[in-house]
Amino acid sequence: ETGVTQSPTHLIKTRGQQVTLRCSSQSGHNTVSWYQQALGQGPQFIFQYYREEENGRGNFPPRFSGLQFPNYSSELNVNALELDDSALYLCASSLVLGPLNYGYTFGSGTRLTVV
Amino acid sequence: AQTVTQSQPEMSVQEAETVTLSCTYDTSESDYYLFWYKQPPSRQMILVIRQEAYKQQNATENRFSVNFQKAAKSFSLKISDSQLGDAAMYFCAYRTRTQGGSEKLVFGKGTKLTVNP
Repeated sequence: ETGVTQSPTHLIKTRGQQVTLRCSSQSGHNTVSWYQQALGQGPQFIFQYYREEENGRGNFPPRFSGLQFPNYSSELNVNALELDDSALYLCASSLVLGPLNYGYTFGSGTRLTVV
Repeated sequence: AQTVTQSQPEMSVQEAETVTLSCTYDTSESDYYLFWYKQPPSRQMILVIRQEAYKQQNATENRFSVNFQKAAKSFSLKISDSQLGDAAMYFCAYRTRTQGGSEKLVFGKGTKLTVNP
């Protein structure tokens, strides 16, 4: 069974630019969540995708958006980058069946630096 | 709003000794899940142990055990026979539902554990 794969591992962008981060979910998982982890902090929930639709969102502005594809992989897009967007972005996949969540598998993250 | 507090930014332990990491949380829910995750330098969050709130028995996974005090909203992690490979950031987390119906994890700020040989 494959784990969660994120790409790229590191990225440097300029303020005002746009960025796309990618996540391949673990085999058999149908749900993807994204988290932002600022330096020295715990991860903060951005949003979750299930059946190709966003079904939960944290306290992040609309310039943070995402997609989920039929193969359950996902993208996180951030527009108009700000310096405070510099962080580790973690993707977590899980198998959700009805009310049951069978647990999360995290990727190793993408380190985004905005200069 | 649910919050998770880890009051120890850093802890250290001698190899083979025991260490306890503290966590408190705030919630109005009666049924929920609590987790401890380990984040080594590889950055991947690895599940260490989980506890269902409706279970009174404390969870145990090999050298890792928890002390779950539901009334006090306390969830500490005990690591016995500490090993060099246990050195990492440890995050306490609480699973809750969003307004959209999905679930999310609420994390504390973490405790950096150093294991001294």
